[in-house]
Amino acid sequence: GQQLNQSPQSMFIQEGEDVSMNCTSSSIFNTWLWYKQDPGEGPVLLIALYKAGELTSNGRLTAQFGITRKDSFLNISASIPSDVGIYFCAGRYSGGSNYKLTFGKGTLLTVNP
Amino acid sequence: EAGVAQSPRYKIIEKRQSVAFWCNPISGHATLYWYQQILGQGPKLLIQFQNNGVVDDSQLPKDRFSAERLKGVDSTLKIQPAKLEDSAVYLCASERGAQPIQETQYFGPGTRLLVL
Repeated sequence: GQQLNQSPQSMFIQEGEDVSMNCTSSSIFNTWLWYKQDPGEGPVLLIALYKAGELTSNGRLTAQFGITRKDSFLNISASIPSDVGIYFCAGRYSGGSNYKLTFGKGTLLTVNP
Repeated sequence: EAGVAQSPRYKIIEKRQSVAFWCNPISGHATLYWYQQILGQGPKLLIQFQNNGVVDDSQLPKDRFSAERLKGVDSTLKIQPAKLEDSAVYLCASERGAQPIQETQYFGPGTRLLVL
């Protein structure tokens, strides 16, 4: 089955620093998504990417859909304490009526004020 | 617009007992998913419903897990009998289902299950 390798597993940074995390896949996806999960909550969608090469921003967040369709990265600029949480990449491939998401293992981000 | 509702939020049971989780998706959402999230991992799809039909249950351990969405709205996920390795967060998600490849899955808060 499809596998996603997400790195780094965890990051500990100072407030104001920029952050970068990425995902690579063993197979191609039609859609790349980035989610954030806070403790005790379900994942919340941050950014969705639908085309190879697409670069999309959402405030301080920027994500790109790799040209090969097998990778994506997420950048967070000027981090703040509320950025703390677990960030997941997810890929989606359309096959018939099955549009299931495959998730990475997550990047735990800690921001030191 | 109300989000995806799940209950209970927490459940502690002993192994070999049975347990059921309930999910109420966002109104009008045709597609409903159940995921299992083990500590330190990303969510893993267990089953996908489109209205009241099953689209994908290839990763559902059918010897002990069952799920239904009889009227195409609410859904229940059951585990019988539970094993220690079933300890996880069970997430329900829904989406409108009209243009799946470009839609957003909205997740509920999850049910945290601990099997002792």
